[in-house]
Amino acid sequence: DQQVKQNSPSLSVQEGRISILNCDYTNSMFDYFLWYKKYPAEGPTFLISISSIKDKNEDGRFTVFLNKSAKHLSLHIVPSQPGDSAVYFCAAGSYSGNTPLVFGKGTRLSVIA
Amino acid sequence: DSGVTQTPKHLITATGQRVTLRCSPRSGDLSVYWYQQSLDQGLQFLIQYYNGEERAKGNILERFSAQQFPDLHSELNLSSLELGDSALYFCASSVGTSGRAVETQYFGPGTRLLVL
Repeated sequence: DQQVKQNSPSLSVQEGRISILNCDYTNSMFDYFLWYKKYPAEGPTFLISISSIKDKNEDGRFTVFLNKSAKHLSLHIVPSQPGDSAVYFCAAGSYSGNTPLVFGKGTRLSVIA
Repeated sequence: DSGVTQTPKHLITATGQRVTLRCSPRSGDLSVYWYQQSLDQGLQFLIQYYNGEERAKGNILERFSAQQFPDLHSELNLSSLELGDSALYFCASSVGTSGRAVETQYFGPGTRLLVL
């Protein structure tokens, strides 16, 4: 039972355009969400997070949007750069349940120059 | 560089063998997590330790065990290895506020295990 789903295994975007990566979750107890980026042969790197009390969090070119009613979050990267090409993992956890983070399977983003 | 170190980077072994993977958390972090990433799979949570004690358990096989030592480094022991245990094993650490499981985690570079 996949509690965190990233339905697009891959995404290609032109340099300078917006990249939108999506993530759906099923567990209504989740109240903290994170995005990680992973380059080949490296561990995942924390990118940005959001708690359920917010619907948007921005950090430079990266913005995460949370739609609690739809149990959906998205990561927007604007403008996309070739160095953003990586696998992006969505993760979710529950402060109240104190359960460990659950990760999606990842979306491979390719930014084409 | 996340500050989390893992050794070895690569490990090749045979079925039935036992291996130990080692992780040193970021300086000051009290919580350590272990994850397994198999081909085309996401990160599967195995186990969490907080300040030397087991805090949360995921889909960890009985053949696998872990511990966290007084200096806070952690080891993951995998025994009676099977072909299907071939995977990337990641360690992560976090500050460990009261042993909380939901915190931003910082990952090491991983150990790639190949069981032949």
